[in-house]
Amino acid sequence: QVQLVQSGAEVKKPGASVKISCKASGYTFTNYYMHWVRQAPGQGLEWMGIISPSGGSTSYAQKFQGRVTVTRDTSTSTVYMELSSLRSEDTAVYYCARARTPAVAADYWGLGTLVTVSS
Amino acid sequence: QSALTQPASVSGSPGQSITISCTGTSSDVGGYNYVSWYQQHPGKAPKLMIYEVSNRPSGASNRFSGSKSGNTASLTISGLQAEDEAEYYCNSYTTSSTRVFGTGTKVTVL
Repeated sequence: QVQLVQSGAEVKKPGASVKISCKASGYTFTNYYMHWVRQAPGQGLEWMGIISPSGGSTSYAQKFQGRVTVTRDTSTSTVYMELSSLRSEDTAVYYCARARTPAVAADYWGLGTLVTVSS
Repeated sequence: QSALTQPASVSGSPGQSITISCTGTSSDVGGYNYVSWYQQHPGKAPKLMIYEVSNRPSGASNRFSGSKSGNTASLTISGLQAEDEAEYYCNSYTTSSTRVFGTGTKVTVL
């Protein structure tokens, strides 16, 4: 069965970076794109970016341009999301979610990774 | 890219039907038939309920249906049940080859 297993919770100080992983299994990794979506406490969903697991091309929301980097390792079927220059407003649950193409809906989601930014 | 506009809350009694709207622009909702809807219960990951405006994935109840007119998409829940109480988000592909979510709607079953 399809599984997206995300890394554990992180606590970071303002100005630091965080790198979250999302390990895929149960399907052909290179056949599906991977989105990253975040949700601040009590807030809505916010789309961050997407990566093509086969070619590695990426697209990011303008809000995160320059601060977010999404990469993948096809040998381990794992996608990574790194967010730099963290501030308190980046405290959120970060989700990975797979999709057949960038246009279509994400059908399977990871359980989320809580990132807390606090001094 | 601004978030799509949804009503903050919608409520209904068990057995009733409710409709949630999702308003965007011609650069997102109006420009593509790639609107999807997600259900999210507290502390859980979102669950896909509708994709490509009106299609239901396996596992989604047939009480959920979707439609679109111009720049506004809609999700209708018929035969409202207690388990439908959750937050609902629309999501659209955009001309920038990115995606944008709606502001979210809390559905309350009275």
